[in-house]
Amino acid sequence: GAVVSQHPSRVICKSGTSVKIECRSLDFQATTMFWYRQFPKKSLMLMATSNEGSKATYEQGVEKDKFLINHASLTLSTLTVTSAHPEDSSFYICSARRTSGRGNIQYFGAGTRLSVL
Amino acid sequence: GQQVMQIPQYQHVQEGEDFTTYCNSSTTLSNIQWYKQRPGGHPVFLIQLVKSGEVKKQKRLTFQFGEAKKNSSLHITATQTTDVGTYFCAGRGTTDSWGKLQFGAGTQVVVTP
Repeated sequence: GAVVSQHPSRVICKSGTSVKIECRSLDFQATTMFWYRQFPKKSLMLMATSNEGSKATYEQGVEKDKFLINHASLTLSTLTVTSAHPEDSSFYICSARRTSGRGNIQYFGAGTRLSVL
Repeated sequence: GQQVMQIPQYQHVQEGEDFTTYCNSSTTLSNIQWYKQRPGGHPVFLIQLVKSGEVKKQKRLTFQFGEAKKNSSLHITATQTTDVGTYFCAGRGTTDSWGKLQFGAGTQVVVTP
């Protein structure tokens, strides 16, 4: 099956610092990756769509200057939470879209649990 | 915009019983996907339904896509403790070009031995 690696799995940082999260598709090329945020016992909230070689498309209400997304290659997208504050603490999950004979399926990374002190 | 509703949000099942979770979209979908997320884990793809009225089975799991392509269901027979987790449906709109999915709220399943 398709593998998506997300790193780090957990990060604890001080308020005001920036945190970078990486999402890699290990065995397939992904022109499109997605970034989600999930609160405890809640559903996945799409933050942005990341397209290789172009600017990310952000969902309504998501601050693009706060959550910087870079999709520099067909296998790597990064999300940087800038000047993190306690309210940014959450579970962030990326997914990579694989287009194949099976259709468009999203494969998820293991997620990054961010705690901002 | 497109909204995907999923019920129930919580399902407490006795081991061996059957249950069904339902998913309804406010708009017609291109396809619908189902994911399972174990406690502390990440969503794992289960299946994709594309055709109107499609029914697919995976062992004890039966997935159905409505004729109007606006609703779907997941039925699990003879529930086992390994079925514990949250099941999400996720629909793709007909006008979307990026493969964006709108996730339902999920059905959290707890199985009692």
